[in-house]
Amino acid sequence: DTGVSQDPRHKITKRGQNVTFRCDPISEHNRLYWYRQTLGQGPEFLTYFQNEAQLEKSRLLSDRFSAERPKGSFSTLEIQRTEQGDSAMYLCASSIHPWDPGELFFGEGSRLTVL
Amino acid sequence: GESVGLHLPTLSVQEGDNSIINCAYSNSASDYFIWYKQESGKGPQFIIDIRSNMDKRQGQRVTVLLNKTVKHLSLQIAATQPGDSAVYFCAEKARGATNKLIFGTGTLLAVQP
Repeated sequence: DTGVSQDPRHKITKRGQNVTFRCDPISEHNRLYWYRQTLGQGPEFLTYFQNEAQLEKSRLLSDRFSAERPKGSFSTLEIQRTEQGDSAMYLCASSIHPWDPGELFFGEGSRLTVL
Repeated sequence: GESVGLHLPTLSVQEGDNSIINCAYSNSASDYFIWYKQESGKGPQFIIDIRSNMDKRQGQRVTVLLNKTVKHLSLQIAATQPGDSAVYFCAEKARGATNKLIFGTGTLLAVQP
């Protein structure tokens, strides 16, 4: 399977702990996105990378959130001092077409539950 | 504040009928629109897109219509099949140097056999 891969698929943590999610995009895709989705809602944009450069960040991405894509391939999303409101599905997507910016290939997500 | 959208709008159709899913967008500066399908437990899957200089675009069994006057987007699915059962999201991108997609709340399509 050469789709977008996310790990872990599920994470349960206690409030105040740090968590990290990893995303491996489709290999030739230079664009990588993180979105967050809560139950019954559409995905909300968090951040966007082109190669290793983080070009866009949402105001949703508070100081507790940090994303990296150090070599322009895989990406990590870290949440520090988790809060119950961070419980959500964290979706990663990749793309290659700058002229079709909406054609994103999403992974199956990492579901976070903060107790 | 935010509304808790636990009760998605639902469209129930019979297998073989045509489906029309509607979406209202808010930003008149958006110049690119997309429809995604999300099955339970999976990430969204791209269906079809349309740019603001078009009114209609067709794909395989799907058609997207764009009415910029009333800021309305629709997705038509011909001969709906049980495999089409999913939540459908419209999304928009604002004109300019952004790659952010703004997703709507979603519509649950339930196909009855």
